[in-house]
Amino acid sequence: DAGVTQSPTHLIKTRGQHVTLRCSPISGHKSVSWYQQVLGQGPQFIFQYYEKEERGRGNFPDRFSARQFPNYSSELNVNALLLGDSALYLCASSLGWGQGNQPQHFGDGTRLSIL
Amino acid sequence: AQKITQTQPGMFVQEKEAVTLDCTYDTSDQSYGLFWYKQPSSGEMIFLIYQGSYDEQNATEGRYSLNFQKARKSANLVISASQLGDSAMYFCAMRERNSGNTPLVFGKGTRLSVIA
Repeated sequence: DAGVTQSPTHLIKTRGQHVTLRCSPISGHKSVSWYQQVLGQGPQFIFQYYEKEERGRGNFPDRFSARQFPNYSSELNVNALLLGDSALYLCASSLGWGQGNQPQHFGDGTRLSIL
Repeated sequence: AQKITQTQPGMFVQEKEAVTLDCTYDTSDQSYGLFWYKQPSSGEMIFLIYQGSYDEQNATEGRYSLNFQKARKSANLVISASQLGDSAMYFCAMRERNSGNTPLVFGKGTRLSVIA
């Protein structure tokens, strides 16, 4: 079975541009979360979606937005890119909602570099 | 305040030896879950092991075991019989209220290097 897939793998943008990152969850998983991991740090939570509804938002500015589609895939959008947005963006999926012992399964991430 | 603390930025271990990676956490919730993930240089976060706050037994998964000391708020990962492929970053994470609708909070990680 395919794991969580993210695209693109790498991306280079300049300040002020916009970027869209994509994620396909594991088949049957309905919950998708996005995390930002800057160099030398652990991942930080950005968004969580379940059944196409936003269920949680981390401490990120409104330049960050996301959505989940009927097939449970998801997009993360970042507007007006800043140098500080350079990071590895990780998508994670999990089977359901409300079962705390279910691990989140992560993709390989999208490495975003802002020049 | 930091919720997850991993005090070892880097660790070295000889192949076939056991190693303990430290993790302490801070929460006022009675119900929470603790996770360990492995991140190779490729970037993917690989789930290793889970421990619930009400679990009486320490979790084990193959060569991985979690030394859970609730009173000390520690959840150390023990890797037995280290292999070269174990070289990676290791992250401890917590989910408060042990419910799927709260995100994972990660520590800063420990870089493990296994030496032949």
